[in-house]
Amino acid sequence: DIQMTQSPSTLSASVGDRVTITCRASQSIGTYLNWYQQKAGKAPELLIYSASTLQSGVPSRFSGSGSGTDFTLTINSLQPEDFATYYCQQSYNNPRTFGPGTKVDMK
Amino acid sequence: QVQLQESGPGLMKPLETLSLTCSVSGGSISGGDYYWTWIRQPAGQGLEWIGRIYTSGRTNYNPSLQSRLIMSVDTSKNHFSLKMRSVTAADTAVYYCARATFYRSGNDYYWYLDLWGRGTLVTVSS
Repeated sequence: DIQMTQSPSTLSASVGDRVTITCRASQSIGTYLNWYQQKAGKAPELLIYSASTLQSGVPSRFSGSGSGTDFTLTINSLQPEDFATYYCQQSYNNPRTFGPGTKVDMK
Repeated sequence: QVQLQESGPGLMKPLETLSLTCSVSGGSISGGDYYWTWIRQPAGQGLEWIGRIYTSGRTNYNPSLQSRLIMSVDTSKNHFSLKMRSVTAADTAVYYCARATFYRSGNDYYWYLDLWGRGTLVTVSS
């Protein structure tokens, strides 16, 4: 299985901050990388697919980059509704695997 | 728009067989190129991909769970299902169903989960 790691595990930030979350795969996965946002008590929601393509309806302050083994999710100008947990997921092969998550909380 | 809704037993005893159903509303389960997927999440933990099924019946299972799983699709009822036998406390989790679709670039297919159900809590306890 491809192992996914994320850093940091928790990130404390303020509204208006620029936030960066890193995801790393245990082997090269090209750009087969998705990002999801999960708010407390809710199902995850898709933010970005194929490493950098923004899902329809997702605000443009979210962006993704990277390829191979190293990927980044950036939130420009953090908004109150962005406090949540973020997961990366590889779609390179089966079983699809998720990173352990990065919780973005209020500083 | 298309919505997914999980249904399940809630509380189970160890060694029983878990049966979950995901009902698809607002669209046909066979109305496109989708893999219908199950994911679970123990309380306070991360997401685990359980497996997926295409409307043709083709399946992919997580090898860590494969020996206990059966997935199926019922196009007449517009739902898909998961059966997991011999559950233990370690199977206690919120179970989500989701739709996987893809973006095609040349010969590359980038699959992603674009639609999720709200999840159903399954607790295994004696």
